[in-house]
Amino acid sequence: SAVISQKPSRDICQRGTSLTIQCQVDSQVTMMFWYRQQPGQSLTLIATANQGSEATYESGFVIDKFPISRPNLTFSTLTVSNMSPEDSSIYLCSVEYPSSGNTIYFGEGSWLTVV
Amino acid sequence: LAKTTQPISMDSYEGQEVNITCSHNNIATNDYITWYQQFPSQGPRFIIQGYKTKVTNEVASLFIPADRKSSTLSLPRVSLSDTAVYYCLVYDRGSTLGRLYFGRGTQLTVWP
Repeated sequence: SAVISQKPSRDICQRGTSLTIQCQVDSQVTMMFWYRQQPGQSLTLIATANQGSEATYESGFVIDKFPISRPNLTFSTLTVSNMSPEDSSIYLCSVEYPSSGNTIYFGEGSWLTVV
Repeated sequence: LAKTTQPISMDSYEGQEVNITCSHNNIATNDYITWYQQFPSQGPRFIIQGYKTKVTNEVASLFIPADRKSSTLSLPRVSLSDTAVYYCLVYDRGSTLGRLYFGRGTQLTVWP
Protein backbone atom coordinates (compact mmCIF):
# COMPACT_ATOMS: atom_id res chain seq x y z
CA SER A 1 0.00 0.00 0.00
CA ALA A 2 0.99 3.63 -0.34
CA VAL A 3 3.03 5.47 2.23
CA ILE A 4 1.77 9.04 2.44
CA SER A 5 3.32 11.57 4.78
CA GLN A 6 1.63 14.79 5.72
CA LYS A 7 3.15 17.72 7.53
CA PRO A 8 2.28 19.21 9.90
CA SER A 9 0.22 16.57 11.65
CA ARG A 10 -1.25 19.19 13.93
CA ASP A 11 -1.03 22.93 14.36
CA ILE A 12 -2.69 25.81 16.11
CA CYS A 13 -2.93 28.87 13.91
CA GLN A 14 -3.77 32.49 14.46
CA ARG A 15 -6.74 34.01 12.70
CA GLY A 16 -5.74 35.76 9.49
CA THR A 17 -2.58 33.76 8.90
CA SER A 18 -1.89 31.13 6.27
CA LEU A 19 -0.52 27.62 6.62
CA THR A 20 0.88 25.27 4.03
CA ILE A 21 0.35 21.53 4.36
CA GLN A 22 2.74 19.19 2.63
CA CYS A 23 1.98 15.77 1.23
CA GLN A 24 4.73 13.36 0.21
CA VAL A 25 4.09 9.99 -1.42
CA ASP A 26 6.52 7.09 -1.59
CA SER A 27 5.90 6.48 -5.28
CA GLN A 28 5.02 8.47 -8.35
CA VAL A 29 1.33 9.13 -8.73
CA THR A 30 -0.64 11.11 -11.26
CA MET A 31 -3.72 11.96 -9.26
CA MET A 32 -3.62 13.56 -5.82
CA PHE A 33 -6.62 14.84 -3.93
CA TRP A 34 -7.17 17.18 -1.02
CA TYR A 35 -10.04 16.77 1.39
CA ARG A 36 -11.35 18.67 4.36
CA GLN A 37 -13.08 16.96 7.24
CA GLN A 38 -14.76 19.15 9.80
CA PRO A 39 -15.39 17.74 13.27
CA GLY A 40 -17.98 14.97 13.21
CA GLN A 41 -18.48 15.27 9.47
CA SER A 42 -17.63 13.24 6.40
CA LEU A 43 -14.86 14.03 3.96
CA THR A 44 -15.38 16.90 1.55
CA LEU A 45 -13.32 17.04 -1.61
CA ILE A 46 -11.52 20.37 -1.99
CA ALA A 47 -9.64 19.84 -5.21
CA THR A 48 -7.83 17.44 -7.46
CA ALA A 49 -4.16 18.05 -8.18
CA ASN A 50 -3.07 16.43 -11.40
CA GLN A 51 0.65 16.84 -12.00
CA GLY A 52 1.38 19.20 -14.84
CA SER A 53 -1.91 21.04 -14.81
CA GLU A 54 -3.83 23.46 -12.67
CA ALA A 55 -5.75 22.01 -9.75
CA THR A 56 -9.45 21.46 -10.26
CA TYR A 57 -11.55 22.87 -7.43
CA GLU A 58 -14.91 21.67 -6.22
CA SER A 59 -17.86 23.95 -5.79
CA GLY A 60 -17.40 26.13 -2.73
CA PHE A 61 -13.62 26.06 -2.82
CA VAL A 62 -11.52 28.65 -4.60
CA ILE A 63 -7.88 28.91 -5.50
CA ASP A 64 -7.35 32.16 -3.61
CA LYS A 65 -8.35 30.49 -0.38
CA PHE A 66 -6.81 27.06 -1.00
CA PRO A 67 -3.91 27.38 -3.42
CA ILE A 68 -2.41 24.04 -4.37
CA SER A 69 0.95 23.20 -5.84
CA ARG A 70 1.93 19.99 -7.56
CA PRO A 71 5.58 20.37 -8.56
CA ASN A 72 6.26 16.69 -9.24
CA LEU A 73 4.74 13.23 -9.17
CA THR A 74 5.39 12.57 -5.47
CA PHE A 75 4.60 15.85 -3.78
CA SER A 76 1.84 18.40 -3.33
CA THR A 77 1.01 21.26 -1.01
CA LEU A 78 -2.25 22.81 0.09
CA THR A 79 -2.25 26.27 1.60
CA VAL A 80 -5.11 27.44 3.76
CA SER A 81 -5.07 31.21 3.41
CA ASN A 82 -6.33 33.96 5.67
CA MET A 83 -7.62 31.44 8.15
CA SER A 84 -10.68 31.86 10.30
CA PRO A 85 -12.05 29.58 13.04
CA GLU A 86 -14.35 28.01 10.43
CA ASP A 87 -11.25 26.56 8.77
CA SER A 88 -10.53 24.42 11.81
CA SER A 89 -10.59 20.94 10.32
CA ILE A 90 -8.58 17.93 9.40
CA TYR A 91 -7.06 18.31 5.96
CA LEU A 92 -6.34 15.06 4.17
CA CYS A 93 -4.18 14.24 1.23
CA SER A 94 -5.04 11.20 -0.83
CA VAL A 95 -3.61 9.57 -3.91
CA GLU A 96 -4.61 7.18 -6.61
CA TYR A 97 -1.89 4.54 -6.28
CA PRO A 98 -1.04 2.76 -9.53
CA SER A 99 0.94 -0.02 -7.85
CA SER A 100 -2.28 -1.16 -6.15
CA GLY A 101 -4.59 -1.00 -9.12
CA ASN A 102 -5.33 2.70 -8.64
CA THR A 103 -6.64 2.17 -5.14
CA ILE A 104 -7.18 5.42 -3.24
CA TYR A 105 -5.04 5.84 -0.13
CA PHE A 106 -4.99 8.59 2.46
CA GLY A 107 -2.41 10.33 4.54
CA GLU A 108 -2.82 10.62 8.28
CA GLY A 109 -4.19 14.12 8.01
CA SER A 110 -3.27 17.56 9.25
CA TRP A 111 -5.37 18.80 12.15
CA LEU A 112 -5.61 22.58 12.10
CA THR A 113 -7.14 24.63 14.88
CA VAL A 114 -7.61 28.32 14.20
CA VAL A 115 -7.85 30.61 17.21
CA LEU B 1 -22.70 14.39 -4.81
CA ALA B 2 -22.04 11.14 -2.98
CA LYS B 3 -23.24 8.09 -4.82
CA THR B 4 -23.54 5.96 -1.71
CA THR B 5 -25.95 5.52 1.21
CA GLN B 6 -25.08 3.81 4.50
CA PRO B 7 -26.69 3.50 7.92
CA ILE B 8 -25.59 6.33 10.17
CA SER B 9 -24.70 4.08 13.07
CA MET B 10 -24.53 0.48 14.22
CA ASP B 11 -23.87 -1.17 17.55
CA SER B 12 -22.36 -4.56 18.24
CA TYR B 13 -20.70 -6.54 20.99
CA GLU B 14 -17.25 -7.99 21.10
CA GLY B 15 -16.92 -11.29 19.31
CA GLN B 16 -19.90 -10.79 17.04
CA GLU B 17 -19.88 -10.56 13.26
CA VAL B 18 -20.85 -7.16 11.90
CA ASN B 19 -22.28 -6.52 8.46
CA ILE B 20 -22.47 -2.98 7.13
CA THR B 21 -24.38 -2.44 3.91
CA CYS B 22 -23.85 0.35 1.41
CA SER B 23 -26.32 1.23 -1.33
CA HIS B 24 -25.01 2.50 -4.64
CA ASN B 25 -27.95 2.29 -7.03
CA ASN B 26 -26.28 4.32 -9.76
CA ILE B 27 -23.04 2.37 -9.88
CA ALA B 28 -21.43 2.48 -13.30
CA THR B 29 -19.97 -0.41 -15.22
CA ASN B 30 -16.37 0.54 -14.50
CA ASP B 31 -16.86 1.47 -10.85
CA TYR B 32 -15.15 -0.39 -8.05
CA ILE B 33 -16.32 -0.50 -4.44
CA THR B 34 -13.86 0.34 -1.70
CA TRP B 35 -14.29 0.40 2.06
CA TYR B 36 -12.34 2.48 4.55
CA GLN B 37 -12.05 2.61 8.31
CA GLN B 38 -11.44 5.87 10.10
CA PHE B 39 -10.55 6.51 13.71
CA PRO B 40 -10.90 9.98 15.24
CA SER B 41 -8.25 12.45 14.09
CA GLN B 42 -6.74 9.98 11.63
CA GLY B 43 -6.93 9.53 7.89
CA PRO B 44 -9.16 6.80 6.44
CA ARG B 45 -7.49 3.42 6.24
CA PHE B 46 -8.10 1.12 3.27
CA ILE B 47 -9.87 -2.10 4.26
CA ILE B 48 -10.99 -3.90 1.12
CA GLN B 49 -11.96 -3.37 -2.49
CA GLY B 50 -14.03 -5.36 -4.95
CA TYR B 51 -15.88 -5.32 -8.23
CA LYS B 52 -18.28 -8.25 -7.98
CA THR B 53 -19.11 -11.40 -5.98
CA LYS B 54 -16.99 -11.88 -2.89
CA VAL B 55 -13.61 -10.62 -1.81
CA THR B 56 -11.87 -11.65 1.38
CA ASN B 57 -8.67 -10.51 3.04
CA GLU B 58 -7.15 -10.91 6.47
CA VAL B 59 -9.45 -8.37 8.13
CA ALA B 60 -12.78 -8.39 6.28
CA SER B 61 -14.98 -9.77 3.55
CA LEU B 62 -16.86 -7.83 0.91
CA PHE B 63 -20.02 -9.22 -0.61
CA ILE B 64 -21.34 -7.73 -3.85
CA PRO B 65 -24.55 -9.08 -5.42
CA ALA B 66 -24.89 -9.62 -9.13
CA ASP B 67 -26.64 -6.30 -9.78
CA ARG B 68 -23.87 -4.46 -7.84
CA LYS B 69 -26.35 -1.92 -6.51
CA SER B 70 -25.23 -2.59 -2.97
CA SER B 71 -22.34 -4.11 -1.09
CA THR B 72 -21.82 -5.49 2.39
CA LEU B 73 -18.70 -5.21 4.46
CA SER B 74 -18.41 -8.10 6.89
CA LEU B 75 -16.17 -7.85 9.95
CA PRO B 76 -15.76 -11.19 11.73
CA ARG B 77 -15.57 -11.27 15.52
CA VAL B 78 -15.24 -7.57 16.17
CA SER B 79 -13.33 -6.18 19.11
CA LEU B 80 -13.45 -2.85 20.93
CA SER B 81 -10.71 -1.55 18.64
CA ASP B 82 -13.03 -1.89 15.65
CA THR B 83 -15.07 1.04 16.93
CA ALA B 84 -14.67 3.54 14.10
CA VAL B 85 -16.44 5.16 11.17
CA TYR B 86 -16.67 3.03 8.04
CA TYR B 87 -17.03 4.53 4.60
CA CYS B 88 -17.79 2.94 1.28
CA LEU B 89 -16.55 4.66 -1.84
CA VAL B 90 -17.58 3.91 -5.39
CA TYR B 91 -15.35 5.13 -8.20
CA ASP B 92 -13.93 4.35 -11.59
CA ARG B 93 -10.34 3.19 -11.03
CA GLY B 94 -9.51 3.94 -14.62
CA SER B 95 -10.77 7.49 -14.66
CA THR B 96 -11.07 9.22 -11.32
CA LEU B 97 -10.58 12.73 -12.67
CA GLY B 98 -11.18 14.12 -9.23
CA ARG B 99 -14.70 12.99 -8.60
CA LEU B 100 -14.25 10.99 -5.42
CA TYR B 101 -17.14 11.78 -3.15
CA PHE B 102 -17.75 10.24 0.24
CA GLY B 103 -21.06 9.62 1.90
CA ARG B 104 -21.69 10.12 5.58
CA GLY B 105 -20.22 6.81 6.70
CA THR B 106 -21.36 4.40 9.40
CA GLN B 107 -20.30 4.84 13.01
CA LEU B 108 -19.74 1.37 14.40
CA THR B 109 -19.61 1.11 18.16
CA VAL B 110 -18.46 -2.14 19.70
CA TRP B 111 -19.44 -2.75 23.32
CA PRO B 112 -17.77 -5.09 25.79
